Amino acid sequence: QSVLTQPPSASGTPGQRVTISCSGSSSNIGSNYVYWYQQLPGTAPKLLIYRNNQRPSGVPDRFSGSKSGTSASLAISGLRSEDEADYYCAAWDDSLSGTWVFGGGTKLTVL
Amino acid sequence: EVQLVESGGVVVQPGGSLRLSCAASGFTFDDYAMHWVRQAPGKGLEWVSLISWDGGSTYYADSVKGRFTISRDNSKNSLYLQMNSLRAEDTALYYCAKAPAAGTSPRYWYFDLWGRGTLVTVSS
Repeated sequence: QSVLTQPPSASGTPGQRVTISCSGSSSNIGSNYVYWYQQLPGTAPKLLIYRNNQRPSGVPDRFSGSKSGTSASLAISGLRSEDEADYYCAAWDDSLSGTWVFGGGTKLTVL
Repeated sequence: EVQLVESGGVVVQPGGSLRLSCAASGFTFDDYAMHWVRQAPGKGLEWVSLISWDGGSTYYADSVKGRFTISRDNSKNSLYLQMNSLRAEDTALYYCAKAPAAGTSPRYWYFDLWGRGTLVTVSS
């Protein structure tokens, strides 16, 4: 059971807007930044969003992140077939001595 | 080109030991904290361990604490993970990941670059 909770799956058609949620608690999302990673099939994860809503260079502005309280969301607009991948949220957790925690991942299918 | 290349993954028996390595290139290795993250077959990502830029601070997931040891050799641009008392549930693809040069707290050391991983299989 992951510390951060994501829906196991999401889907959309090309051109649509899709959102993926990530729910945590006051010790992680509630008091720290949220990060999002994209893992295309058979490849290593790639940083998609850092510090809640910042995009690294090279990441299209179709991808956006937001955070409110103990939850965060990743939005993908203008959905494309190449967006079909697994998406993970991550955050630092202040519990005990501190650890990094991930969500269980959301498999996005482009119909 | 900034690159991380993991090695050392093999098939090992339960209770056995293994050391993974991660060779870094294309950046000033000793400026950055480094992580190990694993992914069991068909499963999600699990953070394993973190080491500060100078090796002075280390952090571990509860699932590996007391069994795994993270270390680094900045003169060799290399990161290591010593894995002891291995269990079947440690079977996974192990990634090393670089943290950004941001802040002095581990809460800011997220994963901004990943290697391709090395596969560890624990089986008799």
